[in-house]
Amino acid sequence: AQKITQTQPGMFVQEKEAVTLDCTYDTSDPSYGLFWYKQPSSGEMIFLIYQGSYDQQNATEGRYSLNFQKARKSANLVISASQLGDSAMYFCAMRENRAGGTSYGKLTFGQGTILTVHP
Amino acid sequence: NAGVMQNPRHLVRRRGQEARLRCSPMKGHSHVYWYRQLPEEGLKFMVYLQKENIIDESGMPKERFSAEFPKEGPSILRIQQVVRGDSAAYFCASSPGVGQGATEAFFGQGTRLTVV
Repeated sequence: AQKITQTQPGMFVQEKEAVTLDCTYDTSDPSYGLFWYKQPSSGEMIFLIYQGSYDQQNATEGRYSLNFQKARKSANLVISASQLGDSAMYFCAMRENRAGGTSYGKLTFGQGTILTVHP
Repeated sequence: NAGVMQNPRHLVRRRGQEARLRCSPMKGHSHVYWYRQLPEEGLKFMVYLQKENIIDESGMPKERFSAEFPKEGPSILRIQQVVRGDSAAYFCASSPGVGQGATEAFFGQGTRLTVV
């Protein structure tokens, strides 16, 4: 079963506009973490933002915010004021906790969304 | 304060040769995770190691692949008798230990393996 689903293979946005990248997840674990990464054409994985399942507020990091809707099991990434340098592949990932409450770092990734920012 | 260091960045091997990929975790980190990214796909978990122990190798192919994280030195992902299908980017991530939060979030720059 697919645990992380990114339904948008590609997205386009005009420079300075906001864009939302979708991510839904599936888990029966009440304690989990959700991550977003950016992978530019150079290939490295750049950590953007993290949301814990028990966090009351949506995570924000500069121009990045995570629209966390727990009941719908969605964790969409919102990029405000898009810049040309935001053009990249974006991955959503989930870390589930082992039974017993301790977590470890094994991440499950979605297929990714290619974002293209137009001038 | 160096991040997760992987080397080499690019590795070319002929079919049948061995590939050795190295990962030096961030300072103070004793847990290492290896992931593989095939072209046009997301990262797939391979193995989780602590110093001198393999904790979870559920994502490792049954044959030709092995990983270690010795007491001293980097973690090594070893692929014996490489085939064209092993061509991929291999990423390493490290963490200081089991815990909550985003501590396991940081990856190395990856090793791009090409099998010719």
